[in-house]
Amino acid sequence: DAGVIQSPRHEVTEMGQEVTLRCKPISGHDYLFWYRQTMMRGLELLIYFNNNVPIDDSGMPEDRFSAKMPNASFSTLKIQPSEPRDSAVYFCASSSRDRGMHEQFFGPGTRLTVL
Amino acid sequence: RKEVEQDPGPFNVPEGATVAFNCTYSNSASQSFFWYRQDCRKEPKLLMSVYSSGNEDGRFTAQLNRASQYISLLIRDSKLSDSATYLCVVNLNEKLTFGTGTRLTIIP
Repeated sequence: DAGVIQSPRHEVTEMGQEVTLRCKPISGHDYLFWYRQTMMRGLELLIYFNNNVPIDDSGMPEDRFSAKMPNASFSTLKIQPSEPRDSAVYFCASSSRDRGMHEQFFGPGTRLTVL
Repeated sequence: RKEVEQDPGPFNVPEGATVAFNCTYSNSASQSFFWYRQDCRKEPKLLMSVYSSGNEDGRFTAQLNRASQYISLLIRDSKLSDSATYLCVVNLNEKLTFGTGTRLTIIP
């Protein structure tokens, strides 16, 4: 079975540009999570969805960040405008209530650099 | 105070040795606990769950002390392949909170 798929794997952009990160969860999983990882702050939950509905976005740093999940097999995280402090690795993860939500399956991540 | 605190290390341990990591959490209402493993430049993966009664998975033993809000992971007979960052994880109301991780390097 394919795991969680993220694209792009690497993104280098200039300050002020719009960045869109993409995620395809594991088929059949009903939860999707977006995380950000930095050396200083570790892995932080930004937002999560259940059955395509946003449940908790309290981790989204500010209005420049937005996330959508138009269907069960696709989600995007958008940063507009991007800033150098947004540089981090962004992970998408999915899980299934049936199998225990604590086992989250992570994608390979998108390494974002904002110059 | 951070919700989940870990010693960042690094722990440099000779192959075959036993190593232990500790973790504390701040919210006494936390419901379940886990250890995840993250290899360098890779994604985190679930290593094992942690129960009050203690649980073993091969060379790995995890323990939870709810009274002290303390979680531990013991690795016996360490292998080179155990080199990774170990993340302590706490679940509260469907949300996982990750510690910043403890880096372990096993030395040949």
